[in-house]
Amino acid sequence: GENVEQHPSTLSVQEGDSAVIKCTYSDSASNYFPWYKQELGKGPQLIIDIRSNVGEKKDQRIAVTLNKTAKHFSLHITETQPEDSAVYFCAAAFSGNTPLVFGKGTRLSVIA
Amino acid sequence: NAGVMQNPRHLVRRRGQEARLRCSPVKGHSHVYWYRQLPEEGLKFMVYLQKENIIDESGMPKERFSAEFPKEGPSILRIQQVVRGDSAAYFCASSPAGNGYTFGSGTRLTVV
Repeated sequence: GENVEQHPSTLSVQEGDSAVIKCTYSDSASNYFPWYKQELGKGPQLIIDIRSNVGEKKDQRIAVTLNKTAKHFSLHITETQPEDSAVYFCAAAFSGNTPLVFGKGTRLSVIA
Repeated sequence: NAGVMQNPRHLVRRRGQEARLRCSPVKGHSHVYWYRQLPEEGLKFMVYLQKENIIDESGMPKERFSAEFPKEGPSILRIQQVVRGDSAAYFCASSPAGNGYTFGSGTRLTVV
């Protein structure tokens, strides 16, 4: 089955700097890669996703890149703000309704 | 337009009791997923259901755990004879089709 590795487990950045979180996956059949943000005491919230027919996707300060050959994808947050502090999870699945497999999460702290 | 509703938000059970966790999906969503999250860990898939059918229960322990999604009413995750190791946050997600999950706020189960 699919296995998703996520790094780093914790990340501290100064406000205004960029943050990058990386994930690798094992199943070459996976073709859907979402990212979730989880704030303390809340459920995960989808922030961006990418499908394997696309190499990069951007939404304001957030971007995701995908390298299918290397089987890795990354989340980029630019101009970080204190409200970006949260735990971020990557996930992978074969498109359709197969269950998402999640990485273990990255705790991002943005220091003002 | 309500999101995924989970209740209760917090549940305390004594060892040996039963825990019932409820999940009402987003209106119109016919796919429901249950995940378990331990402190400082990622989301572990448990079970995937469609109306009146269990599609994939590969992540659910064979003993004591069961799930249903009846034609009418919420999806229920049932844990019989709870043990301390069952203490965790349980999240439900729903989707219309494809992989665009919407998560609920979770039920935090504490077994004393």
